[in-house]
Amino acid sequence: DAGITQSPRHKVTETGTPVTLRCHQTENHRYMYWYRQDPGHGLRLIHYSYGVKDTDKGEVSDGYSVSRSKTEDFLLTLESATSSQTSVYFCAISETSGNYNEQFFGPGTRLTVL
Amino acid sequence: EDQVTQSPEALRLQEGESSSLNCSYTVSGLRGLFWYRQDPGKGPEFLFTLYSAGEEKEKERLKATLTKKESFLHITAPKPEDSATYLCAVSSGNQFYFGTGTSLTVIP
Repeated sequence: DAGITQSPRHKVTETGTPVTLRCHQTENHRYMYWYRQDPGHGLRLIHYSYGVKDTDKGEVSDGYSVSRSKTEDFLLTLESATSSQTSVYFCAISETSGNYNEQFFGPGTRLTVL
Repeated sequence: EDQVTQSPEALRLQEGESSSLNCSYTVSGLRGLFWYRQDPGKGPEFLFTLYSAGEEKEKERLKATLTKKESFLHITAPKPEDSATYLCAVSSGNQFYFGTGTSLTVIP
């Protein structure tokens, strides 16, 4: 998985609780991304980062926030989890802008919000 | 609206039976088209990048081609280990758009 780890790998939580997912890379790639994958929708971009403390919104960013204080770590936070955020979350990295170059994906985090 | 559509949704092949998967797209300013393989419970694994119409890439039994409106992933003489979901993605502007994938099953 190109030196990408995600934690936790599985999480069950209750509606209204905060949740933070972590993505850690050892490739020193500049770009990092968070996606969610749901049946019938494919992978959808939540947020991405183009450098330390530099982030931007993706297609489905409502209800999510991100932070990147170090090159190797990209955190995704659900401030108040809802059942609609039950999904599989994938982190991806890219050496240069993902627009022209492939992204490499982590193993995923399965999140269930009850 | 930018869109990526993959067909068929599911495909069952006998071992050795060649076929093609389709990815059609409607995006403005295509920067790249990407093919990934995804096994159950795992993250997508990168296969190919195509940048311009007429371009082709090959890897083992897989060959990807690109036209102005679609891409094909040709699978020649598939084996059971080729069973997976194949995802197509396109990049436009600063966004990445994924299709919903084709689930391929190769029967021994």
